[in-house]
Amino acid sequence: AQSVTQLGSHVSVSEGALVLLRCNYSSSVPPYLFWYVQYPNQGLQLLLKYTSAATLVKGINGFEAEFKKSETSFHLTKPSAHMSDAAEYFCAVHRAGTASKLTFGTGTRLQVTL
Amino acid sequence: EPEVTQTPSHQVTQMGQEVILRCVPISNHLYFYWYRQILGQKVEFLVSFYNNEISEKSEIFDDQFSVERPDGSNFTLKIRSTKLEDSAMYFCASNEPGGYGYTFGSGTRLTVV
Repeated sequence: AQSVTQLGSHVSVSEGALVLLRCNYSSSVPPYLFWYVQYPNQGLQLLLKYTSAATLVKGINGFEAEFKKSETSFHLTKPSAHMSDAAEYFCAVHRAGTASKLTFGTGTRLQVTL
Repeated sequence: EPEVTQTPSHQVTQMGQEVILRCVPISNHLYFYWYRQILGQKVEFLVSFYNNEISEKSEIFDDQFSVERPDGSNFTLKIRSTKLEDSAMYFCASNEPGGYGYTFGSGTRLTVV
């Protein structure tokens, strides 16, 4: 079975500061990993995904994540936060090379302050 | 870019009524899913569907729920007798073989009153 743990249900950063949202995964088989963003009362938007190619994955809106097998991590970063980044962020995992179900983390709410 | 389309975007129903949520997956995808998100909580898997049958379901997906692909394009989730606790955002998703193309719809917000 696959699972993800997101450390920190709430993260607050100043505008222009580094954003770091943590995700650790557990999987007995190679995983595919995803980050989704959800703005209030909206759906899930894919930020980026890791599907066994490059370990450093670049996504939309300046976000990137690095797959580190040794640390079982897939942390999301952005060098400089913008007010528009305030949202809920979900990490998710499923078995690589399959179309199995996605398992989501509990989410991290990012607050960006002036 | 191809999209997964869900209708309606909002639905209000009375407790005990049947509801059908509709989804049009991406045309060349073969795997289809329903997820739900109760307000303020994480996204939970309900069911996956492949080759006209359920391939996996969660413990949430009890006898009150059913899925169907009635034609070549639509994928529906039916709740036979809605309960207050069924109020949630329901997301449809589709995927291609190999799992590279996981795509979600924008969701249907179901409110049971």
